[in-house]
Amino acid sequence: AQSVAQPEDQVNVAEGNPLTVKCTYSVSGNPYLFWYVQYPNRGLQFLLKYITGDNLVKGSYGFEAEFNKSQTSFHLKKPSALVSDSALYFCAVRDVTGGFKTIFGAGTRLFVKA
Amino acid sequence: GAGVSQSPSNKVTEKGKDVELRCDPISGHTALYWYRQSLGQGLEFLIYFQGNSAPDKSGLPSDRFSAERTGGSVSTLTIQRTQQEDSAVYLCASSLQVAEAFFGQGTRLTVV
Repeated sequence: AQSVAQPEDQVNVAEGNPLTVKCTYSVSGNPYLFWYVQYPNRGLQFLLKYITGDNLVKGSYGFEAEFNKSQTSFHLKKPSALVSDSALYFCAVRDVTGGFKTIFGAGTRLFVKA
Repeated sequence: GAGVSQSPSNKVTEKGKDVELRCDPISGHTALYWYRQSLGQGLEFLIYFQGNSAPDKSGLPSDRFSAERTGGSVSTLTIQRTQQEDSAVYLCASSLQVAEAFFGQGTRLTVV
């Protein structure tokens, strides 16, 4: 069975500092990996995805993530955090050999302090 | 439509009543998902439809929950004999098989 772990319930970072939101996954086959963001009282918005190819993927709002197969990780990063980045972030995995079901992590709340 | 549409946006129901939640996916999307999100929490997988294949119902929490997808398009999630613990936001998403999922705005269900 596939699973996703976001080990941090909350991440605090000062504006202008780099941020990392961690994600590890477990699948039986090859994964598709996704990051989504949810702002208060709003729906989930897609940020970026890894399907194949380069391990470093770039997405919306200056975010990027690195796929690490050996560590089964897909951490979300941004070089310089903004207060407006404060939101709930979800990592998701789709097992391409297991029926393409997409499972989400529990979410990590990011607080960026001015 | 341009995006995933869910209705109603809000539903208040009495304990023990049945409710139906509707999802109109993006046209042409073969995959459709239902998730449940409790206040400020993660997304709990409920059910997944992919084309004409049998749905993956492994996330449905009890036999009070069921879903169908008619004609490969519109989906309805039905909760029978609602309980207070069913209160949550129910999210629908659709995707192409190898692409990201697009989410609707959700239906906020309150069981009183």
